[in-house]
Amino acid sequence: EAGVTQFPSHSVIEKGQTVTLRCDPISGHDNLYWYRRVMGKEIKFLLHFVKESKQDESGMPNNRFLAERTGGTYSTLKVQPAELEDSGVYFCASSQYLMSPLHFGNGTRLTVT
Amino acid sequence: AQSVTQPDIHITVSEGASLELRCNYSYGATPYLFWYVQSPGQGLQLLLKYFSGDTLVQGIKGFEAEFKRSQSSFNLRKPSVHWSDAAEYFCAVGARGFNKFYFGSGTKLNVKP
Repeated sequence: EAGVTQFPSHSVIEKGQTVTLRCDPISGHDNLYWYRRVMGKEIKFLLHFVKESKQDESGMPNNRFLAERTGGTYSTLKVQPAELEDSGVYFCASSQYLMSPLHFGNGTRLTVT
Repeated sequence: AQSVTQPDIHITVSEGASLELRCNYSYGATPYLFWYVQSPGQGLQLLLKYFSGDTLVQGIKGFEAEFKRSQSSFNLRKPSVHWSDAAEYFCAVGARGFNKFYFGSGTKLNVKP
């Protein structure tokens, strides 16, 4: 089976610009998560989708972040406008059932200058 | 509040030596526990998981972990480390009825020849 795919793998943008990250989960996985790791820190939860519905977005830092999951398939995470503290690695993960082990993508490394 | 602590940021061991990576958690419910490994440029890969039952669990690549409820710990072990084990290791905790996992800040393993 194809794994979780994230695009782009790297993005370098200037403060104030907009960036959109994309995640394609494993086919059939209803649960989709976004996590973020800021340099050397823990991997922090951002939000959780079940199909197209947001179940929990308690980890989203502020309203500059917007996540969508079109038709319960792929997901996008948009940062607008980007700030320096948004730099980090953004991971997408999916699972078939709640609390099943997560399947991770390779991450998108975002650098805001 | 839920949290995961990995006290060792970096560990260096010689090839062939034994390894133990520490993980302590704070969680109100009966935990589900996981260890993941991340090689450079890759996503996180599941090494092993504990849901219930035998507190000593076996994983891939010769790793094992032991759940000790009294110590709130889930330490990862390997009897003989190989150079290919050099990577970053993450402990994670979740629980039945919850929708998110909490991760530690990771332990980077370096293997000396």
